Amino acid sequence: AQTVTQSQPEMSVQEAETVTLSCTYDTSESDYYLFWYKQPPSRQMILVIRQEAYKQQNATENRFSVNFQKAAKSFSLKISDSQLGDAAMYFCAYRSEGLGRFGAGTRLTVKP
Amino acid sequence: GAGVSQSPSNKVTEKGKDVELRCDPISGHTALYWYRQRLGQGLEFLIYFQGNSAPDKSGLPSDRFSAERTGESVSTLTIQRTQQEDSAVYLCASSSQVSYGYTFGSGTRLTVV
Repeated sequence: AQTVTQSQPEMSVQEAETVTLSCTYDTSESDYYLFWYKQPPSRQMILVIRQEAYKQQNATENRFSVNFQKAAKSFSLKISDSQLGDAAMYFCAYRSEGLGRFGAGTRLTVKP
Repeated sequence: GAGVSQSPSNKVTEKGKDVELRCDPISGHTALYWYRQRLGQGLEFLIYFQGNSAPDKSGLPSDRFSAERTGESVSTLTIQRTQQEDSAVYLCASSSQVSYGYTFGSGTRLTVV
């Protein structure tokens, strides 16, 4: 079964510092995609970054980057130069054809 | 439409009543998902539609839950004989391709009293 595990229920970071959120997943598929979503208090889910499993290069979107380790089935999110607006729940997600699963989420607090 | 629309945004119902939650996906999005999110929790998968068929219903928690979809358009999630543990935000997401991830609606907050 495909599962997604986020082992950090809560994380905290000082403004302007860097934080890494962990995610591991389990799958027997070879073709899949991984995503990080942000959910602020407004509860609207926002796509932060995505990674194709067939690509070795780690995805980067401005201050957000991932460390994708396919063999280890690990997909962590690094947020650089953290800002107050980054405070939210972050969900790691796995998707293959027809199948979509999310982790339990990590609540990120940003301290001024 | 421009985004995924869910209605109502909030619903308060009495225990034992039936409720219908509606999701209007982005036009052309063939895949549609329903998730449940309890307060402070993660997203719990309920059901997946590809077109109007549901290849994966494995997440529906009981036979009180059902869902249908008309073509590649609107989907309705029905909860019969609601219980207090059904209180949650119900999120709908649609997608055109696997690689594009999901576009989420704003959810329906269901409160069973």
